Amino acid sequence: KQEVTQIPAALSVPEGENLVLNCSFTDSAIYNLQWFRQDPGKGLTSLLLIQSSQREQTSGRLNASLDKSSGRSTLYIAASQPGDSATYLCAVENFNKFYFGSGTKLNVKP
Amino acid sequence: DTAVSQTPKYLVTQMGNDKSIKCEQNLGHDTMYWYKQDSKKFLKIMFSYNNKELIINETVPNRFSPKSPDKAHLNLHINSLELGDSAVYFCASSIGLAGDTQYFGPGTRLTVL
Repeated sequence: KQEVTQIPAALSVPEGENLVLNCSFTDSAIYNLQWFRQDPGKGLTSLLLIQSSQREQTSGRLNASLDKSSGRSTLYIAASQPGDSATYLCAVENFNKFYFGSGTKLNVKP
Repeated sequence: DTAVSQTPKYLVTQMGNDKSIKCEQNLGHDTMYWYKQDSKKFLKIMFSYNNKELIINETVPNRFSPKSPDKAHLNLHINSLELGDSAVYFCASSIGLAGDTQYFGPGTRLTVL
């Protein structure tokens, strides 16, 4: 059964810092991997979707990489801002099912 | 323009009651999902429907019954509510069955007393 782990569980950084969030999964036979952002009391917002044939995706200050063989993905956030404060979740898709990690709670201090 | 909407946003009820949560998407997507997010923030898929057909039923108790009257709606009815049902329930949709971005609703916080 697919298991998704995210490290660290929480991260607090000063504004302007570059940071990396990690996601690992146990079954490399994934269809794709998706990074989401969840604000307190809100739903999830999709940030980046990486198909299994791709190595990375970029959107603005965000860059996500995927290494299927090692079961890892990273989300790189450049020049972090207080507005980036949220919980970031990764999810992998196997056979029409999405498996989520428990998230990394990011706090960017002004 | 709300893409995926859920009602109600909050639901507080007594053990043993029956309740429903409604979900609607106006994105023209074929696939809709229900997820449960527990107190530890783990999101787990419960059901998925594609064109009103049940695709995934992820070992959910029979007390939970999804209903999809049309492609744009996926409702969740819960019978005989238990304390352990307290969670946030998220509805989501995607264009197709696999490989597509999922769009989530704002969630329904269910509290069973």
